[in-house]
Amino acid sequence: GENVEQHPSTLSVQEGDSAVIKCTYSDSASNYFPWYKQELGKGPQLIIDIRSNVGEKKDQRIAVTLNKTAKHFSLHITETQPEDSAVYFCAARESGGSYIPTFGRGTSLIVHP
Amino acid sequence: DAGVIQSPRHEVTEMGQEVTLRCKPISGHDYLFWYRQTMMRGLELLIYFNNNVPIDDSGMPEDRFSAKMPNASFSTLKIQPSEPRDSAVYFCASSFRQGTTGELFFGEGSRLTVL
Repeated sequence: GENVEQHPSTLSVQEGDSAVIKCTYSDSASNYFPWYKQELGKGPQLIIDIRSNVGEKKDQRIAVTLNKTAKHFSLHITETQPEDSAVYFCAARESGGSYIPTFGRGTSLIVHP
Repeated sequence: DAGVIQSPRHEVTEMGQEVTLRCKPISGHDYLFWYRQTMMRGLELLIYFNNNVPIDDSGMPEDRFSAKMPNASFSTLKIQPSEPRDSAVYFCASSFRQGTTGELFFGEGSRLTVL
C-alpha cells in the first residue's frame, strides 16, 4: 500500500516569512495529491490539490509542487500570517484504485506575529 | 448545506463504559469515513463505507470497536468496553466520488476522554 512521509512535524516561522512542508510517497500509481488544513478544534479542510500531470499549482499565497520522478511534493506558503497557524496534512491517492487517500502525519505550523 | 455533523463534540466516560459516536454525512455523498486522531499516530482511517456498505474495516483496532451505517444519512461508531487508550478525537468524513476529486469533508470531531 501507499506510504506517505511528511516533514517537518513542527514548523515555527515569523509573520511574513515563507513556510515549506515536504512529503514523499511510495506508490508510483498515486496521481492525486491533496493538502488539508486543520485549524484548532476543527476537522481538516482541503486547501489545494495537484494532479500528476501538473508540476506546480498556485492559489494566492499557497503553491504546491510535484516531482513524480522523485516521488515528492511540497506545500509552499508565502508571506505567512498568524491565521496560517494550523496543522497541515499532505495525502496521496490513486484515482483508479481504492480511491482512499493516504495521509501524512501532519505538520504543525506556528506563525509568530 | 450544514456540512458533516458529529455528536457529541465532547465525551468523558469511565473505563468499561460503552461509547457511541454519531455522524450525519452531507446529503448525496456516497462515501463515509471514520478516522481517529492522536498525537502519536496522527490521522488513522478506522473504517469506510460506500453506499452504506462497509468496504474496509482493517483499521479498526480491535473487536471492541464497531461501526454501522443503517442508512445514507446516519452512521455510528461504538466502543464497548472503552479503555483509556481509546482517548482521541474521532472524525467522520464524507465524499462524493463520481466525476469529482473525491474531496473529503470532515466534521468537527468528537473528543473522547476515557478515565
